[in-house]
Amino acid sequence: DTGVSQNPRHKITKRGQNVTFRCDPISEHNRLYWYRQTLGQGPEFLTYFQNEAQLEKSRLLSDRFSAERPKGSFSTLEIQRTEQGDSAMYLCASSLAFSYEQYFGPGTRLTVT
Amino acid sequence: AQKVTQAQTEISVVEKEDVTLDCVYETRDTTYYLFWYKQPPSGELVFLIRRNSFDEQNEISGRYSWNFQKSTSSFNFTITASQVVDSAVYFCALSIYNFNKFYFGSGTKLNVKP
Repeated sequence: DTGVSQNPRHKITKRGQNVTFRCDPISEHNRLYWYRQTLGQGPEFLTYFQNEAQLEKSRLLSDRFSAERPKGSFSTLEIQRTEQGDSAMYLCASSLAFSYEQYFGPGTRLTVT
Repeated sequence: AQKVTQAQTEISVVEKEDVTLDCVYETRDTTYYLFWYKQPPSGELVFLIRRNSFDEQNEISGRYSWNFQKSTSSFNFTITASQVVDSAVYFCALSIYNFNKFYFGSGTKLNVKP
């Protein structure tokens, strides 16, 4: 297994456009997390899935954000009507349920112009 | 509410110096877990260590050591004889019971100069 992968690695979009990011977790991991990291800050929790169920969402996840994990494997994070404030690194991590050790992907850097 | 504070934004040391990174946390839960992660320039966060709230035994692993003190809500991380490859951003994090949410500090950027 090659670890957690995220695509694309970089995305530049114009304000108002929709974007979608993909995360492929480590295959046997049933938990998947999304975080947002802005420059000079630590990762901020957005949401997590256990298998296909989305069990918790942060208040940071506005109505413009939606995440899915349809078959309990890969996950997508969609941002609709992007704003400049959405510019950040979006990190995905996976783990076994109730395991403390999260494995992080390389992130998708979003720039909204 | 949970909160993690890393007051040191950036530290610069010369290779072979010892360096301690500070972390202070807040939580009302009695069962919680503390972590240190390393984020090298390549960007991927790497897990370093975990401690649970019932285990205040400090640990040394090679050049790394950790000092967990519940009385002061601190979980400090020391690198002995620093090396240039230690240059990275280090994050302290907190999670409670079933690891459904992690709270990260703002990170400390460590620069180790040759």
